[in-house]
Amino acid sequence: RKEVEQDPGPFNVPEGATVAFNCTYSNSASQSFFWYRQDCRKEPKLLMSVYSSGNEDGRFTAQLNRASQYISLLIRDSKLSDSATYLCVVKYNNNDMRFGAGTRLTVKP
Amino acid sequence: ETGVTQSPTHLIKTRGQQVTLRCSSQSGHNTVSWYQQALGQGPQFIFQYYREEENGRGNFPPRFSGLQFPNYSSELNVNALELDDSALYLCASSLGLATTGELFFGEGSRLTVL
Repeated sequence: RKEVEQDPGPFNVPEGATVAFNCTYSNSASQSFFWYRQDCRKEPKLLMSVYSSGNEDGRFTAQLNRASQYISLLIRDSKLSDSATYLCVVKYNNNDMRFGAGTRLTVKP
Repeated sequence: ETGVTQSPTHLIKTRGQQVTLRCSSQSGHNTVSWYQQALGQGPQFIFQYYREEENGRGNFPPRFSGLQFPNYSSELNVNALELDDSALYLCASSLGLATTGELFFGEGSRLTVL
């Protein structure tokens, strides 16, 4: 079983749609959690951190359930520019960060 | 741009050869992490260097080795190349031990092993 598992995707949605990505992690020692975004043929970039209380950044909402070892990302009012691969990331105490395989999103006009 | 530069951007090697990849971290960053990203997969942690010492390693064999220099730039060396080593190698820099979770990635070195 992979340490970080994500919805396989791809997700193809129309502009304005709401889309949700799920992620589970297997190691309960995971310390911190993040979503990164990777555009095609580009490097990953931090999208947002994920806090236990849930957190929002504009159209993006992240949730964490430590008991279920589950992380989610919700994107509201999708834009064409949201098309990318979304990577779920967990960080351990020794500072190594484990990435999921990513979920590809395509937003269509 | 992140300010993290990697070289070379592309290279082709044959099985059994050795390769050295280079990374210059963002100004002021003292930590460098290396990742391997195979096609269609997420980045896989190879190791991290903090102030010139290895500070954590993923599940990669000893033929993957690295160095960090006093100016915090870094090298990734891979010996006895195998076909499965073909991938994008990403370097990421951070200030300290990335407690905020923000890694600044370079654009990567794409290695093809024939």
